[in-house]
Amino acid sequence: EVQLVESGGGLIQPGGSLRLSCAVSELSVSSNNMWWLRQAPGKGLEWVSDIYSAGDAYYADFVEGRFIISRDNSQNTLYLQMNSLRVEDTAVYYCARGTRTGHSGWFYFDYWGQGALVTVSS
Amino acid sequence: EIVLTQSPGTLSLSPGERATLSCRASQTVSSNRLAWYQQKPGQAPRLLIYDTSNRASGIPDSFSGTGSGTDFTLIIGRLEPEDSAVYYCQQYGSSPITFGQGTRLEI
Repeated sequence: EVQLVESGGGLIQPGGSLRLSCAVSELSVSSNNMWWLRQAPGKGLEWVSDIYSAGDAYYADFVEGRFIISRDNSQNTLYLQMNSLRVEDTAVYYCARGTRTGHSGWFYFDYWGQGALVTVSS
Repeated sequence: EIVLTQSPGTLSLSPGERATLSCRASQTVSSNRLAWYQQKPGQAPRLLIYDTSNRASGIPDSFSGTGSGTDFTLIIGRLEPEDSAVYYCQQYGSSPITFGQGTRLEI
């Protein structure tokens, strides 16, 4: 059974840093397109960052160079290093596997982690 | 970016009834690349439908999707209490991928 398990969330002051981890089983992070999405309290979902199987990484505009997505193939784990955190970054962060029909176009998400809550507050 | 507007915001129905949820895009969704998700409180979203009308693995046939261009619909026939959730649409026809704001379904 495919499982994605996030960890590393918590309460952090504005300007601080946090690293989220997503441990994946029964699915290879190096062979798949892996994504971070987030959901602010009471709000909808939004894309944060993604990393393709080839290693290309992409970020939402609001990241503005503050976050870094990476993966450890040996640990089969996805990471999101978040720096210069802002109050508006408060959200539940989900890791997910992106998939698509065929070899073109963008991705929808068939496997999700349970989410990690990040609260940025003084 | 494509803005997805879902309606209604909240839908209250009774068990056994049929629910019709709408998702309207600000621009044509390329190749009808639209998905629907169900999210219950404290849980991650669950994929229901992809490519407008294809049910994901393990999704009952009471869930169906239709639409094209800018107008898409999720239909849930024969509602059960466990269908109470927030439902989101997502377009992946163009970058960045975007989600609607959700429809809350109360049974």
